Amino acid sequence: KQEVTQIPAALSVPEGENLVLNCSFTDSAIYNLQWFRQDPGKGLTSLLLIQSSQREQTSGRLNASLDKSSGRSTLYIAASQPGDSATYLCAVSSRGPTGANSKLTFGKGITLSVRP
Amino acid sequence: EAGVTQFPSHSVIEKGQTVTLRCDPISGHDNLYWYRRVMGKEIKFLLHFVKESKQDESGMPNNRFLAERTGGTYSTLKVQPAELEDSGVYFCASSPRPFTRQGHTEAFFGQGTRLTVV
Repeated sequence: KQEVTQIPAALSVPEGENLVLNCSFTDSAIYNLQWFRQDPGKGLTSLLLIQSSQREQTSGRLNASLDKSSGRSTLYIAASQPGDSATYLCAVSSRGPTGANSKLTFGKGITLSVRP
Repeated sequence: EAGVTQFPSHSVIEKGQTVTLRCDPISGHDNLYWYRRVMGKEIKFLLHFVKESKQDESGMPNNRFLAERTGGTYSTLKVQPAELEDSGVYFCASSPRPFTRQGHTEAFFGQGTRLTVV
């Protein structure tokens, strides 16, 4: 059974700091890994998707890496801003119980607060 | 292009009542997923439709939950009768293809329906 862990549950940093959010998963047989952002009372916004054959993806100030063999991913946020304050969720897609389908397994998320 | 839309955004019902949640996926997305987040827990998978067929319903908590996707377009999730532990945020997501080793498949989520059972 796939399990995804994100530690710590919350993080507070001053504006301008570079930071790393960690995600670990127990089963390395994944199809892809997706990082989401959730603002309070809002839905999930996809930030980056890394396919299982890839090592990293970049979008603006965000860089996500994937080490499938060790079951780890990191989301690097450069020069953090107050607008980056949100909950960041990591999710992996892997084969479902019947073998023919797949689903996302989520971590609990990391609530980030960037102080002005 | 419209995203995934969910109705209602909030619902407060009494224990024992029935509630129906609706999800309109992105047009052309055959794959539709329901997920749920209860307080303090992670978002958990409920079920997966491919067009109108249930591909995987292994996450459905019990038979008080009924999901349908008639015609392969929008989907409904009915809870009958609702219990206190059903409170949480219900998310719907869609994707053009299932997650497989081939291709870049991204899940697009709706804003969620916050269900409160009192």
